[in-house]
Amino acid sequence: GAVVSQHPSRVICKSGTSVKIECRSLDFQATTMFWYRQFPKQSLMLMATSNEGSKATYEQGVEKDKFLINHASLTLSTLTVTSAHPEDSSFYICSAWGLAGGPADTQYFGPGTRLTVL
Amino acid sequence: AQKVTQAQTEISVVEKEDVTLDCVYETRDTTYYLFWYKQPPSGELVFLIRRNSFDEQNEISGRYSWNFQKSTSSFNFTITASQVVDSAVYFCALALEEWANNLFFGTGTRLTVIP
Repeated sequence: GAVVSQHPSRVICKSGTSVKIECRSLDFQATTMFWYRQFPKQSLMLMATSNEGSKATYEQGVEKDKFLINHASLTLSTLTVTSAHPEDSSFYICSAWGLAGGPADTQYFGPGTRLTVL
Repeated sequence: AQKVTQAQTEISVVEKEDVTLDCVYETRDTTYYLFWYKQPPSGELVFLIRRNSFDEQNEISGRYSWNFQKSTSSFNFTITASQVVDSAVYFCALALEEWANNLFFGTGTRLTVIP
């Protein structure tokens, strides 16, 4: 089946530092990757959609300068939380959707990254 | 606008009981796709099912079954003979495109199966 990995699974950082989260599709090419944010006991909120080789599309209310997304290849997207603050602490989940031979019936989700900003 | 409502925030059942998780959706589009995902404590969302709006047939997969009723805009999920491993948060979601590019998630139902 389609596998999506995320690294790191957990990260703790000091306020003001930047954190990079990687999302990889392991066995298929992901035309599109999505980044979600999930607060405790809440639903997933879409932050942005990224297509390989183009700029990400951010949802309303998401600061593009704070959450930098790069989708440089068909198997890798990165989310960088710049100058992180405690309110950025959350569970960040990526998902990938594939075409060109990959699974296309749904998004396949990564295991998530728990970010804690002290 | 699209909306998915999961009115049940938390449900607890004793092992081997049947449980139904409700999902009500809103959309003005006539073509749409409905999904259920499972999020176990580990955090990773697991895809369970996808249905399109033109297929109202109920579906059964092992202990899981889904009841899609357009008349009531509902897509309910039943687990029969629940097991402890079924404990998780279950999300219902809706997409307007076949390729699920934009998923609208419900708020989720936390299911706890008590041994």
